[in-house]
Amino acid sequence: GAGVSQSPRYKVTKRGQDVALRCDPISGHVSLYWYRQALGQGPEFLTYFNYEAQQDKSGLPNDRFSAERPEGSISTLTIQRTEQRDSAMYRCASSLAGSNTEAFFGQGTRLTVV
Amino acid sequence: EDQVTQSPEALRLQEGESSSLNCSYTVSGLRGLFWYRQDPGKGPEFLFTLYSAGEEKEKERLKATLTKKESFLHITAPKPEDSATYLCAVLVAGNQFYFGTGTSLTVIP
Repeated sequence: GAGVSQSPRYKVTKRGQDVALRCDPISGHVSLYWYRQALGQGPEFLTYFNYEAQQDKSGLPNDRFSAERPEGSISTLTIQRTEQRDSAMYRCASSLAGSNTEAFFGQGTRLTVV
Repeated sequence: EDQVTQSPEALRLQEGESSSLNCSYTVSGLRGLFWYRQDPGKGPEFLFTLYSAGEEKEKERLKATLTKKESFLHITAPKPEDSATYLCAVLVAGNQFYFGTGTSLTVIP
């Protein structure tokens, strides 16, 4: 696609429910990144992929968080048994790997756990 | 541990009052340093990439510079439309980006 697309834009869920956030990167982009951004803060790294391989998941807060990118394109960030502290803006970015290019961001998914 | 620190956290300038934002970093295997602008409710938008110490990039009223330990984003004669949060990010080995917490710039007419 023309840009990084994230869905849904807004998600309200009850505590304890599972949620899946989707990221469709720019076509041809090899690297895909997930970040969490609190109001007034910079993006906090969660995990990233090169193609379908998850390169680093050290930023995932705990084992309720997981991500996959099975075909090296679309990625899903899943949060199980959501808690109120999971409420945040979740941002996805993609970049061309190997050429030191910038990361392009999607509009984000605003998750609210009530 | 890789770290990116931005200062100041917030900056208020009068229109036309030039200033600089700082991004200091301690990382292993720096592959590039990136500046982004973020408007409220939107995703970060790319401004500049710097790859090596001594490099400079300019765009309108903005100029970014890089040393071995830090980068500066100089804003010359800012206008109210320059108000935004400015983020810096470092790209390290393995194509991983780390972001600073940003500087919130407000330019007063």
